[in-house]
Amino acid sequence: ELKVEQNPLFLSMQEGKNYTIYCNYSTTSDRLYWYRQDPGKSLESLFVLLSNGAVKQEGRLMASLDTKARLSTLHITAAVHDLSATYFCAVETQGGSEKLVFGKGMKLTVNP
Amino acid sequence: GAGVSQSPRYKVAKRGQDVALRCDPISGHVSLFWYQQALGQGPEFLTYFQNEAQLDKSGLPSDRFFAERPEGSVSTLKIQRTQQEDSAVYLCASSFRVGGGLQETQYFGPGTRLLVL
Repeated sequence: ELKVEQNPLFLSMQEGKNYTIYCNYSTTSDRLYWYRQDPGKSLESLFVLLSNGAVKQEGRLMASLDTKARLSTLHITAAVHDLSATYFCAVETQGGSEKLVFGKGMKLTVNP
Repeated sequence: GAGVSQSPRYKVAKRGQDVALRCDPISGHVSLFWYQQALGQGPEFLTYFQNEAQLDKSGLPSDRFFAERPEGSVSTLKIQRTQQEDSAVYLCASSFRVGGGLQETQYFGPGTRLLVL
């Protein structure tokens, strides 16, 4: 059974600082997603990572995927308050259904 | 264009009542998913449709939960004889992708927040 673990689950950081968050998963997959969720809102897609070594960047966020280590990282550069949200990684199961297994999410608070 | 829409946005039900939650996917999207998100948790998969075919219902928690997509577009998730543990946000997602290879994400709707009293 595919399990997805994120760490940390809570992060409070100062504006302008950098930080990396981690997503580990337990069985083979080559498709990983990062989503953002604001309180009371739905999930907004940030990145789709499809292959080993994939790296994508959007603004202050950069995501990477290592399928051999079953690890994805989300790096935050020079954090700003607007990045405060909950970040989920989700891994697609193999075998046809395309269903996503989500981590518990990381709640990020960026303080001025 | 329009995103995934869901209705109602909020639903309060008395225990034992039946409820029906509707999802309108993005036009042309082949795949449709239902997820359940408990407070403070990540979404959990309930069921998956490819067009009108329900290909995976392994996440439905009991036989009180039933989903359909009769014409391959709009989907309805029905919960019979609701229980308090059914209280959650029910998210619908759709994607164009069938099979592998495309950089296509699942697009999520705003969710229906169900509270069972």
